[in-house]
Amino acid sequence: EAQVTQNPRYLITVTGKKLTVTCSQNMNHEYMSWYRQDPGLGLRQIYYSMNVEVTDKGDVPEGYKVSRKEKRNFPLILESPSPNQTSLYFCASSLYRGSNQPQHFGDGTRLSIL
Amino acid sequence: DQQVKQNSPSLSVQEGRISILNCDYTNSMFDYFLWYKKYPAEGPTFLISISSIKDKNEDGRFTVFLNKSAKHLSLHIVPSQPGDSAVYFCAASGLVEAAGNKLTFGGGTRVLVKP
Repeated sequence: EAQVTQNPRYLITVTGKKLTVTCSQNMNHEYMSWYRQDPGLGLRQIYYSMNVEVTDKGDVPEGYKVSRKEKRNFPLILESPSPNQTSLYFCASSLYRGSNQPQHFGDGTRLSIL
Repeated sequence: DQQVKQNSPSLSVQEGRISILNCDYTNSMFDYFLWYKKYPAEGPTFLISISSIKDKNEDGRFTVFLNKSAKHLSLHIVPSQPGDSAVYFCAASGLVEAAGNKLTFGGGTRVLVKP
């Protein structure tokens, strides 16, 4: 089954404790992105990757890091989490770059930073 | 400043009737618009899209209308079914955004279809 898998689905942690949210897709997609969803704001892009070893900032990259060492994986790293990073996070992928490429989303990771 | 806005946070409709969801945008460089549907505890799933060269696209019960001069699009669901109860996000993309595989989302509209 074609899917984007995120782990963990839920995490409660404390300020400053490094954490990683993993994302894996099995569709051989080139493009992967991370979004965060906050009430009333919709989803905002954090980082994206056009292919292996190619990553760039989205609209809200502060406090986050990513890596793309393999095509299928695109982990999101919070080196020193803060309460304002409490949010619902989605990883997405699409086959190619392009406006008309629908993105496939994972089921989300809800992070609470105390 | 939000470039894509959904001004109605919620909508309640009777089963069998039409649901109309609205979306406004400000960036005239957007050239592709998509609607996503989201159930609780799941990620958004692609529903329907429209290119800026068209003013209407239909897929079964779902039709999207685009009015470029007004920078407005709408999603019509006819007839509405209880399974359509979800949050609907309008999203937009353009040449620059597509380079980064980025969608700009509205805040979402929660639809409740009553049996």
